[in-house]
Amino acid sequence: DVVMTQTPLSSPVTLGQPASISCRSSQSLVHSNGDTYLTWLQQRPGQPPRLLIYKISNRFSGVPDTFSGSGAGTDFTLKISRVEAEDVGVYYCMQASHWPITFGQGTRLEIK
Amino acid sequence: VQLLESGGGLVQPGGSLRLSCAASGFSFRSYSMTWVRQAAGKGLEWVSIISDGGGHTYYADSVKGRFTISRDDSKNTLFLQMNSLRAEDTAIYYCVKVHGEPIWGQGTVVTVSS
Repeated sequence: DVVMTQTPLSSPVTLGQPASISCRSSQSLVHSNGDTYLTWLQQRPGQPPRLLIYKISNRFSGVPDTFSGSGAGTDFTLKISRVEAEDVGVYYCMQASHWPITFGQGTRLEIK
Repeated sequence: VQLLESGGGLVQPGGSLRLSCAASGFSFRSYSMTWVRQAAGKGLEWVSIISDGGGHTYYADSVKGRFTISRDDSKNTLFLQMNSLRAEDTAIYYCVKVHGEPIWGQGTVVTVSS
C-alpha cells in the first residue's frame, strides 16, 4: 500500500499568516492514465470532510483562492496564503492513483 | 452532483447492516466507488472499493470476509453489506467517488454496541 506521510502533524499559525502542509507518498502518484490523483480535504470540528483540492492543484467550487495545491510525483504541498479563523481543523491528503486509496495521518491547524 | 448515504444505525455485536449510497449528477456507471470510515476522534480509513462495472472489488484487511461491496448501476446506487459486526466497526461511513472530480457524501453513522 502507498504510505502517505504528512508534516507537520500540528501547525499553530497566527491569523493572517501563511501556512503550509507537506504530504509525501512512498511511491509516485502518477496513474497509468497520466493523471495524479492527489486530493486535499479539510475537516472542521464536528463536520464531515470537505474537499478542497483535487488532482494536485484544482480547487473545488466554493473553496477560496487562499488555498492552493502544488507538487508532483511523490511530494505535494497545500498552502494557505492567509489563515483565517474558519480554517481551523484537520487537513488530510488522500491518494487514489493506486489501490487501495490511502490517507495521510492528518495535520491539525490551530490558531496561536 | 451528490452522494447520499443511508442505512446506518445501532446494531449488536455479531449483527448485520446494509448501507446504501445514492448517486446523482454524474455518470455513476463510469467510476469506481469507495467506502471510507472514520471512528470518533480518529483519522480516515479506507474500507472497500469496487471498479466501474463491478468486476473488481478490494477490502481492507480489517473487514475482509465480513463486508461485501456491490453496486447497481441501473439505480445509481452503491452498497456495503456488513456482517459479523464488531465494536471496532463503529464509525461514520462515507461513500466517495475518488476519480475525476471527487465527491464525498455526508456519511451515515454505524454504532455496534450491546
